[in-house]
Amino acid sequence: LAKTTQPISMDSYEGQEVNITCSHNNIATNDYITWYQQFPSQGPRFIIQGYKTKVTNEVASLFIPADRKSSTLSLPRVSLSDTAVYYCLVGIPYNQGGKLIFGQGTELSVKP
Amino acid sequence: GAVVSQHPSWVICKSGTSVKIECRSLDFQATTMFWYRQFPKQSLMLMATSNEGSKATYEQGVEKDKFLINHASLTLSTLTVTSAHPEDSSFYICVKPNLLSEAFFGQGTRLTVV
Repeated sequence: LAKTTQPISMDSYEGQEVNITCSHNNIATNDYITWYQQFPSQGPRFIIQGYKTKVTNEVASLFIPADRKSSTLSLPRVSLSDTAVYYCLVGIPYNQGGKLIFGQGTELSVKP
Repeated sequence: GAVVSQHPSWVICKSGTSVKIECRSLDFQATTMFWYRQFPKQSLMLMATSNEGSKATYEQGVEKDKFLINHASLTLSTLTVTSAHPEDSSFYICVKPNLLSEAFFGQGTRLTVV
């Protein structure tokens, strides 16, 4: 399984765009990149998943360069409620036999 | 509504007793359920994978006799922490993966052993 490295913590202010970068230098050909959000005392929640280039949904964008050795989660105009821990996972999707292996995560703190 | 319902959300028990945590798949059948443990300020650690109709698969270092996992039906998976001790105090989460590769997490159970 590809190891991921993320910043341990980040600070931001309301209304700003936040970009969290994850390094995964040994990502395999069949690996996907998935981001989860976790609030205290709650189970993580799926945010976005991608394989290459750019993926966008209603809450975030995921940028993946051509070499796929890193990825960046972009949260547009964050609010206080976006304060949470964000996990970058790299691996084969479950329906292909994979497991969800969590790294250390990035603790994002959004200030007023 | 929640796809995976986990109960209880929190429990306090005395040292030496056993605690059962249930996870129910509400919207569709769950042939597989992942169980995680999370200590304060740490990431989620995969403990085991439960499979309906067969024995659970435990990750290295997880005591199968202490953490009993049962997947009795296609909608119910349980984790029993036997002879709990204070060091077992943690946040336990069940996860149901779906065919689209994203996963649905239970609400989690905060276990405190006193």
